[in-house]
Amino acid sequence: EIVLTQSPGTLSLSPGERATLSCWASQSISNNFLAWYQQTPGQAPRLLIYAASSRTTGITDRFSGSGSGTDFTLTISRLEPEDSAVYYCQQYGSSPLTFGGGTKVEIK
Amino acid sequence: EVQLVESGGGLIQPGGSLRLSCAASGFTFSGYWMHWVRQAPGQGLVWVSYINSDGSDTSYADSVKGRFTISRDNTKNTLYLQMKTLRVEDTAVYYCARGSEAWSGELWVWGQGTLVAVSS
Repeated sequence: EIVLTQSPGTLSLSPGERATLSCWASQSISNNFLAWYQQTPGQAPRLLIYAASSRTTGITDRFSGSGSGTDFTLTISRLEPEDSAVYYCQQYGSSPLTFGGGTKVEIK
Repeated sequence: EVQLVESGGGLIQPGGSLRLSCAASGFTFSGYWMHWVRQAPGQGLVWVSYINSDGSDTSYADSVKGRFTISRDNTKNTLYLQMKTLRVEDTAVYYCARGSEAWSGELWVWGQGTLVAVSS
């Protein structure tokens, strides 16, 4: 099973700043099959990024994904209040599918 | 509008059984892989199970293997999760999620979730 570790646990930033969220895998993820989700309180998760760097239709270009192998990053440029949420990475390169523990982004 | 609506959750005693349903609409249900993902209160997301488009291929997390069964009825556009021998640690919001038309594990569409509480 691939274990995903997300860092930091919580990120507190001001509107307009850039957020950098990390996701490390215990082994290389096949085909860079790594996704990022956003979950706001009381809501279901929403797919933002798939295949490490492809943005889902309708997601603002302030969200971008990068990385390969075992090291992946989600960047949120120019933070806005509505970006306050928990962000999860997920690998689907091998079974079982696994999620990271999440990074909470707080907007000051 | 693409939509997934879960139902069947509730309070159940340890050792009991429950069947969750997920009604799909707005897309060709029979063409997509489907998943169940759960989230314990205040915790992160955990993948539970998947089933392929025609129901011939399934997979489970080790924590539920042998106790949970995923199935689908493509004539009713409905996904199911039969849960048996429930444990306190199975308490969670259970989400159904739509995958892709071919195998790929991104979860494109999610339901609103149904809460399963296992307690005596």
